[in-house]
Amino acid sequence: AQSVTQLGSHVSVSEGALVLLRCNYSSSVPPYLFWYVQYPNQGLQLLLKYTSAATLVKGINGFEAEFKKSETSFHLTKPSAHMRDAAEYFCAVSSNTNAGKSTFGDGTTLTVKP
Amino acid sequence: DSGVTQTPKHLITATGQRVTLRCSPRSGDLSVYWYQQSLDQGLQFLIQYYNGEERAKGNILERFSAQQFPDLHSELNLSSLELGDSALYFCASSVQGHNEQFFGPGTRLTVL
Repeated sequence: AQSVTQLGSHVSVSEGALVLLRCNYSSSVPPYLFWYVQYPNQGLQLLLKYTSAATLVKGINGFEAEFKKSETSFHLTKPSAHMRDAAEYFCAVSSNTNAGKSTFGDGTTLTVKP
Repeated sequence: DSGVTQTPKHLITATGQRVTLRCSPRSGDLSVYWYQQSLDQGLQFLIQYYNGEERAKGNILERFSAQQFPDLHSELNLSSLELGDSALYFCASSVQGHNEQFFGPGTRLTVL
Protein backbone atom coordinates (compact mmCIF):
# COMPACT_ATOMS: atom_id res chain seq x y z
CA ALA A 1 0.00 0.00 0.00
CA GLN A 2 1.10 3.55 -0.55
CA SER A 3 -0.05 6.89 0.76
CA VAL A 4 0.90 10.53 0.82
CA THR A 5 0.40 13.15 3.50
CA GLN A 6 0.81 16.81 2.74
CA LEU A 7 1.18 18.81 5.92
CA GLY A 8 -0.70 22.07 5.74
CA SER A 9 -3.54 22.57 3.31
CA HIS A 10 -2.69 26.28 3.06
CA VAL A 11 0.71 27.97 3.16
CA SER A 12 1.21 31.71 2.90
CA VAL A 13 4.55 33.39 2.30
CA SER A 14 5.74 36.85 1.35
CA GLU A 15 7.22 37.52 -2.04
CA GLY A 16 10.95 36.77 -1.87
CA ALA A 17 10.61 34.43 1.10
CA LEU A 18 11.48 30.76 1.25
CA VAL A 19 8.79 28.35 0.13
CA LEU A 20 8.58 25.02 1.97
CA LEU A 21 5.77 22.57 1.19
CA ARG A 22 5.85 19.34 3.15
CA CYS A 23 5.17 15.85 1.88
CA ASN A 24 5.54 12.55 3.68
CA TYR A 25 4.94 9.25 1.96
CA SER A 26 4.39 5.65 2.82
CA SER A 27 5.36 2.85 0.47
CA SER A 28 6.24 -0.81 0.98
CA VAL A 29 8.49 -0.77 -2.09
CA PRO A 30 10.95 1.80 -3.45
CA PRO A 31 8.83 4.76 -4.45
CA TYR A 32 8.68 7.12 -7.34
CA LEU A 33 7.78 10.59 -6.07
CA PHE A 34 6.37 13.57 -7.88
CA TRP A 35 5.34 17.14 -7.28
CA TYR A 36 2.69 18.65 -9.51
CA VAL A 37 1.39 22.22 -9.69
CA GLN A 38 -2.10 23.31 -10.62
CA TYR A 39 -2.81 26.91 -11.59
CA PRO A 40 -6.42 28.12 -11.47
CA ASN A 41 -8.68 26.55 -14.08
CA GLN A 42 -5.90 24.37 -15.46
CA GLY A 43 -4.83 20.76 -15.25
CA LEU A 44 -1.94 19.55 -13.11
CA GLN A 45 1.55 19.82 -14.54
CA LEU A 46 4.71 18.11 -13.41
CA LEU A 47 7.17 20.20 -11.39
CA LEU A 48 9.72 17.49 -10.67
CA LYS A 49 10.13 13.78 -10.05
CA TYR A 50 12.31 11.40 -8.04
CA THR A 51 13.05 8.02 -9.58
CA SER A 52 15.88 6.65 -7.39
CA ALA A 53 18.71 8.60 -8.98
CA ALA A 54 19.94 11.76 -7.20
CA THR A 55 18.17 12.46 -3.91
CA LEU A 56 18.09 16.21 -4.58
CA VAL A 57 15.85 16.81 -7.55
CA LYS A 58 15.65 20.09 -9.42
CA GLY A 59 12.48 20.98 -11.24
CA ILE A 60 11.00 23.80 -13.24
CA ASN A 61 10.49 27.38 -12.06
CA GLY A 62 13.31 27.18 -9.49
CA PHE A 63 11.72 24.47 -7.34
CA GLU A 64 13.60 21.54 -5.90
CA ALA A 65 12.86 18.63 -3.58
CA GLU A 66 14.97 16.31 -1.50
CA PHE A 67 14.20 12.63 -1.03
CA LYS A 68 14.95 11.56 2.54
CA LYS A 69 14.35 7.85 2.98
CA SER A 70 14.99 7.89 6.73
CA GLU A 71 12.30 10.52 7.18
CA THR A 72 10.03 9.22 4.37
CA SER A 73 9.81 12.78 3.18
CA PHE A 74 9.94 14.61 -0.12
CA HIS A 75 9.54 18.28 0.78
CA LEU A 76 9.35 20.91 -1.96
CA THR A 77 11.33 24.12 -1.62
CA LYS A 78 12.08 27.32 -3.50
CA PRO A 79 14.51 29.91 -2.14
CA SER A 80 12.53 32.97 -3.19
CA ALA A 81 8.79 33.04 -3.87
CA HIS A 82 7.29 34.94 -6.79
CA MET A 83 3.70 36.06 -7.15
CA ARG A 84 3.35 33.67 -10.08
CA ASP A 85 4.05 30.70 -7.76
CA ALA A 86 0.59 31.07 -6.20
CA ALA A 87 -1.13 27.81 -7.04
CA GLU A 88 -2.08 24.44 -5.61
CA TYR A 89 0.67 21.87 -5.22
CA PHE A 90 0.22 18.13 -5.11
CA CYS A 91 2.67 15.48 -3.97
CA ALA A 92 2.23 11.98 -5.44
CA VAL A 93 3.78 8.54 -4.99
CA SER A 94 3.82 5.54 -7.29
CA SER A 95 5.79 2.34 -7.71
CA ASN A 96 6.42 -0.46 -10.13
CA THR A 97 3.86 -2.54 -8.28
CA ASN A 98 0.24 -1.75 -7.44
CA ALA A 99 -0.43 -1.49 -11.17
CA GLY A 100 1.71 1.61 -11.10
CA LYS A 101 -1.18 3.67 -9.74
CA SER A 102 -0.18 7.06 -8.42
CA THR A 103 -1.56 8.17 -5.08
CA PHE A 104 -1.95 11.92 -4.71
CA GLY A 105 -1.91 13.99 -1.56
CA ASP A 106 -4.75 16.36 -0.69
CA GLY A 107 -2.86 19.34 -2.05
CA THR A 108 -1.40 22.51 -0.53
CA THR A 109 -2.56 25.92 -1.65
CA LEU A 110 0.30 28.39 -1.77
CA THR A 111 -0.51 32.08 -1.37
CA VAL A 112 2.19 34.66 -2.08
CA LYS A 113 1.75 38.07 -0.47
CA PRO A 114 3.26 41.18 -2.07
CA ASP B 1 0.33 22.07 -23.70
CA SER B 2 0.57 18.57 -22.19
CA GLY B 3 -0.48 16.79 -25.37
CA VAL B 4 -3.56 15.34 -23.67
CA THR B 5 -6.85 16.56 -25.08
CA GLN B 6 -10.26 16.45 -23.48
CA THR B 7 -13.66 17.24 -24.89
CA PRO B 8 -15.88 18.99 -24.20
CA LYS B 9 -14.39 21.79 -22.09
CA HIS B 10 -17.69 22.57 -20.44
CA LEU B 11 -20.85 20.55 -20.06
CA ILE B 12 -24.10 21.64 -18.48
CA THR B 13 -26.83 19.10 -18.02
CA ALA B 14 -29.71 18.16 -15.76
CA THR B 15 -30.08 15.63 -12.99
CA GLY B 16 -30.83 12.13 -14.17
CA GLN B 17 -29.10 12.62 -17.49
CA ARG B 18 -26.13 10.73 -18.96
CA VAL B 19 -22.98 12.29 -20.42
CA THR B 20 -19.79 11.07 -22.05
CA LEU B 21 -16.43 12.71 -21.58
CA ARG B 22 -13.66 12.01 -24.04
CA CYS B 23 -9.90 11.93 -23.67
CA SER B 24 -7.07 11.49 -26.16
CA PRO B 25 -3.75 10.65 -24.50
CA ARG B 26 -0.33 11.87 -25.54
CA SER B 27 1.08 10.09 -28.54
CA GLY B 28 2.76 6.89 -27.35
CA ASP B 29 1.20 6.83 -23.87
CA LEU B 30 -0.53 3.56 -23.05
CA SER B 31 -1.96 4.41 -19.63
CA VAL B 32 -4.99 6.65 -19.17
CA TYR B 33 -6.33 7.84 -15.83
CA TRP B 34 -9.53 9.62 -14.86
CA TYR B 35 -9.83 11.95 -11.89
CA GLN B 36 -12.64 13.97 -10.36
CA GLN B 37 -11.84 17.26 -8.65
CA SER B 38 -14.35 19.13 -6.53
CA LEU B 39 -14.05 21.75 -3.83
CA ASP B 40 -15.28 19.49 -1.06
CA GLN B 41 -13.50 16.27 -2.00
CA GLY B 42 -10.33 17.45 -3.68
CA LEU B 43 -8.65 15.35 -6.36
CA GLN B 44 -10.08 11.83 -6.46
CA PHE B 45 -8.69 9.01 -8.58
CA LEU B 46 -11.46 7.23 -10.46
CA ILE B 47 -9.98 4.60 -12.76
CA GLN B 48 -6.92 3.64 -14.80
CA TYR B 49 -6.62 1.83 -18.12
CA TYR B 50 -3.49 0.40 -19.68
CA ASN B 51 -3.50 -0.50 -23.37
CA GLY B 52 -7.24 -1.11 -23.39
CA GLU B 53 -7.55 -2.99 -20.13
CA GLU B 54 -8.70 -1.78 -16.74
CA ARG B 55 -5.72 -1.65 -14.37
CA ALA B 56 -6.85 0.04 -11.20
CA LYS B 57 -10.04 1.38 -9.69
CA GLY B 58 -10.40 4.17 -7.23
CA ASN B 59 -13.44 5.92 -5.88
CA ILE B 60 -15.55 5.41 -8.96
CA LEU B 61 -19.30 5.19 -8.47
CA GLU B 62 -21.31 2.37 -10.02
CA ARG B 63 -23.15 5.00 -12.09
CA PHE B 64 -19.84 5.81 -13.76
CA SER B 65 -18.03 3.66 -16.28
CA ALA B 66 -15.07 4.05 -18.58
CA GLN B 67 -13.31 2.31 -21.39
CA GLN B 68 -10.19 2.66 -23.48
CA PHE B 69 -10.46 1.97 -27.17
CA PRO B 70 -7.95 0.29 -29.55
CA ASP B 71 -6.71 3.70 -30.69
CA LEU B 72 -6.03 4.39 -26.96
CA HIS B 73 -8.52 7.20 -26.54
CA SER B 74 -10.77 6.85 -23.54
CA GLU B 75 -14.30 7.75 -22.59
CA LEU B 76 -15.83 8.28 -19.17
CA ASN B 77 -19.57 7.74 -19.00
CA LEU B 78 -21.55 9.31 -16.19
CA SER B 79 -25.19 8.31 -15.82
CA SER B 80 -28.13 9.14 -13.55
CA LEU B 81 -26.37 12.38 -12.80
CA GLU B 82 -26.81 14.04 -9.43
CA LEU B 83 -26.05 17.58 -8.30
CA GLY B 84 -23.03 16.27 -6.41
CA ASP B 85 -21.44 15.04 -9.63
CA SER B 86 -20.72 18.62 -10.61
CA ALA B 87 -16.94 18.81 -10.73
CA LEU B 88 -13.87 19.09 -12.91
CA TYR B 89 -13.01 15.79 -14.56
CA PHE B 90 -9.42 15.33 -15.59
CA CYS B 91 -7.86 12.77 -17.82
CA ALA B 92 -4.15 12.03 -17.59
CA SER B 93 -1.82 9.75 -19.50
CA SER B 94 1.57 8.19 -18.97
CA VAL B 95 3.90 5.86 -20.80
CA GLN B 96 3.64 3.24 -18.08
CA GLY B 97 1.81 3.20 -14.80
CA HIS B 98 4.61 4.34 -12.54
CA ASN B 99 5.76 7.24 -14.68
CA GLU B 100 4.77 10.86 -14.39
CA GLN B 101 1.30 11.69 -15.61
CA PHE B 102 0.41 14.35 -18.12
CA PHE B 103 -2.93 15.98 -17.44
CA GLY B 104 -5.45 17.32 -19.86
CA PRO B 105 -7.17 20.68 -19.36
CA GLY B 106 -10.25 19.03 -17.86
CA THR B 107 -13.97 18.99 -18.50
CA ARG B 108 -16.08 21.11 -16.20
CA LEU B 109 -19.39 19.36 -15.59
CA THR B 110 -22.29 21.28 -14.13
CA VAL B 111 -25.40 19.34 -13.15
CA LEU B 112 -28.46 21.51 -12.60
